[in-house]
Amino acid sequence: KNEVEQSPQNLTAQEGEFITINCSYSVGISALHWLQQHPGGGIVSLFMLSSGKKKHGRLIATINIQEKHSSLHITASHPRDSAVYICAVRSIGSNYQLIWGAGTKLIIKP
Amino acid sequence: DGGITQSPKYLFRKEGQNVTLSCEQNLNHDAMYWYRQDPGQGLRLIYYSQIVNDFQKGDIAEGYSVSREKKESFPLTVTSAQKNPTAFYLCASSIRQTDRQPQHFGDGTRLSIL
Repeated sequence: KNEVEQSPQNLTAQEGEFITINCSYSVGISALHWLQQHPGGGIVSLFMLSSGKKKHGRLIATINIQEKHSSLHITASHPRDSAVYICAVRSIGSNYQLIWGAGTKLIIKP
Repeated sequence: DGGITQSPKYLFRKEGQNVTLSCEQNLNHDAMYWYRQDPGQGLRLIYYSQIVNDFQKGDIAEGYSVSREKKESFPLTVTSAQKNPTAFYLCASSIRQTDRQPQHFGDGTRLSIL
């Protein structure tokens, strides 16, 4: 079993829909990252969380440390949000290395 | 603008050939990383470097080699010993290799076998 699991693996939605991507992990962590990978391959960091909730524009990230679960939400989704969204965690005692989820491929149709 | 530059974007390797992927950063970051990405899998760490002239093996270092002679540069060589080199390779950097620093990524190099 992978230490970081994302769901769903693939998600297709219509423009304007509210999107939720989930990340569950099985290790103790010091931080959780959400990243976006564009179709061309480049990766951009969206959020780094250790507790609670963060918001940036139409993106909201939450984390529940007790349940070892995080969600990434996109409000008023747009075709330009189409990308792969990746969750990664920094496990305690891992010499600061990241453990990566496999990613969620999101397609927003106009 | 500061950033990470990976080159080339596409690379083809013949059987038995070594190839080198370039990674340059002008962010003045101390730490640099190489990852391999295969379809349907999470990124896997190949090598990382915390300072110049020092580097450490990651989870899948076999068949790869690196050098860190300059702070700005962290080239990755895919040797002929790497039997399945076809993948997408991403270089990243961070201010330091500590808990609170996000990693910045290049746009990647896609390596294929001829």
